[in-house]
Amino acid sequence: QQPVQSPQAVILREGEDAVINCSSSKALYSVHWYRQKHGEAPVFLMILLKGGEQKGHEKISASFNEKKQQSSLYLTASQLSYSGTYFCGTGLYNQGGKLIFGQGTELSVKP
Amino acid sequence: NAGVTQTPKFQVLKTGQSMTLQCAQDMNHEYMSWYRQDPGMGLRLIHYSVGAGITDQGEVPNGYNVSRSTTEDFPLRLLSAAPSQTSVYFCASSYKVRSLTYNSPLHFGNGTRLTVT
Repeated sequence: QQPVQSPQAVILREGEDAVINCSSSKALYSVHWYRQKHGEAPVFLMILLKGGEQKGHEKISASFNEKKQQSSLYLTASQLSYSGTYFCGTGLYNQGGKLIFGQGTELSVKP
Repeated sequence: NAGVTQTPKFQVLKTGQSMTLQCAQDMNHEYMSWYRQDPGMGLRLIHYSVGAGITDQGEVPNGYNVSRSTTEDFPLRLLSAAPSQTSVYFCASSYKVRSLTYNSPLHFGNGTRLTVT
């Protein structure tokens, strides 16, 4: 079952912040985040594991709430280069090789 | 290293035709998978493999066959194409984590855009 992402789309001005959420009905063990530019392949951003700490990559960070089966991606002081579609991918314990993605969140950053 | 290579980049088929989408990786990754991407649907898992000779179904396997005879290659076969299979197809690979408890980051190919008329 696909995880559910929200919002489906968001428009920002440069410098503004955004949060993208990813929720699952299953007991997750790992959550991946990817970004896809138009016409390109998805690119890995970060992975969070059950029991792990919040991760960060420059001004993009993420958290994983195991009790709520939810992960959130935080984009701080957004830049034009942050535009694209963001996907969360969820994995269950001991199911290596099987990653199920959400429907995506389209992020547009305007000057 | 070339990473994950998909061929062809574009393909147009008529309903009922068959074809094979090729995927090869040169990173010695154990895990490989096929996704299809449709507007508003995200990336949906078709089939995946955890090693040579081992494949399993994903979320939307109907109409597709796979096999994995080598670590490097993971072709996707459409036996009788239908307009509903019009989509962008991505192949991905990743290494096997020693603990087997989670997925390592996926490396994606550049995709194949398939149109079935």
